[in-house]
Amino acid sequence: GAVVSQHPSWVICKSGTSVKIECRSLDFQATTMFWYRQFPKQSLMLMATSNEGSKATYEQGVEKDKFLINHASLTLSTLTVTSAHPEDSSFYICSATQDRTFYGYTFGSGTRLTVV
Amino acid sequence: QKEVEQNSGPLSVPEGAIASLNCTYSDRVSQSFFWYRQYSGKSPELIMSIYSNGDKEDGRFTAQLNKASQYVSLLIRDSQPSDSATYLCAAYGNNRLAFGKGNQVVVIP
Repeated sequence: GAVVSQHPSWVICKSGTSVKIECRSLDFQATTMFWYRQFPKQSLMLMATSNEGSKATYEQGVEKDKFLINHASLTLSTLTVTSAHPEDSSFYICSATQDRTFYGYTFGSGTRLTVV
Repeated sequence: QKEVEQNSGPLSVPEGAIASLNCTYSDRVSQSFFWYRQYSGKSPELIMSIYSNGDKEDGRFTAQLNKASQYVSLLIRDSQPSDSATYLCAAYGNNRLAFGKGNQVVVIP
């Protein structure tokens, strides 16, 4: 089955630094990847949709200059949280789909980001 | 109005009983509906998908969809302690997947 690997699984960083999170589709080519954020006791909120070779589409209210997304290949998308602040502490989850029509999103294992 | 609503509070069920979860959605262009299970600190895991009106059964899980009422439900039969988790309802449409806030289920041994 489709497998999505996300790395790191957890990270602690100092306020003001940047953190990069990787999302890889291991056994399929992901034309589209999605990045979600989940705060404690809340649901997943879509941050952005990234398509291979083009700019990401950000959801309303998500700062594109703060959350940099790169989808340079069909198997890798990265999310960089720039100048992180404690309020950016959250659970970040990526998902991928094999083609442009929906057939069950596969989620990565998630990254727990703590900014101190 | 939120796109996908799950309004029930935490649900406690005895082991072996049926757990019933409900979800409504607001966007009539939604095409596909999904139930995900999420354990604390983990990412969501797809357990059921449903696309057409009626019931769909998979093992101990049954999903029900009523597009006229914009309503999706999930039944968990013979609930087990391992079913204790948060269940997220999701609707796909307009090239995006929208999630409800989730319902916590606690199965009491």
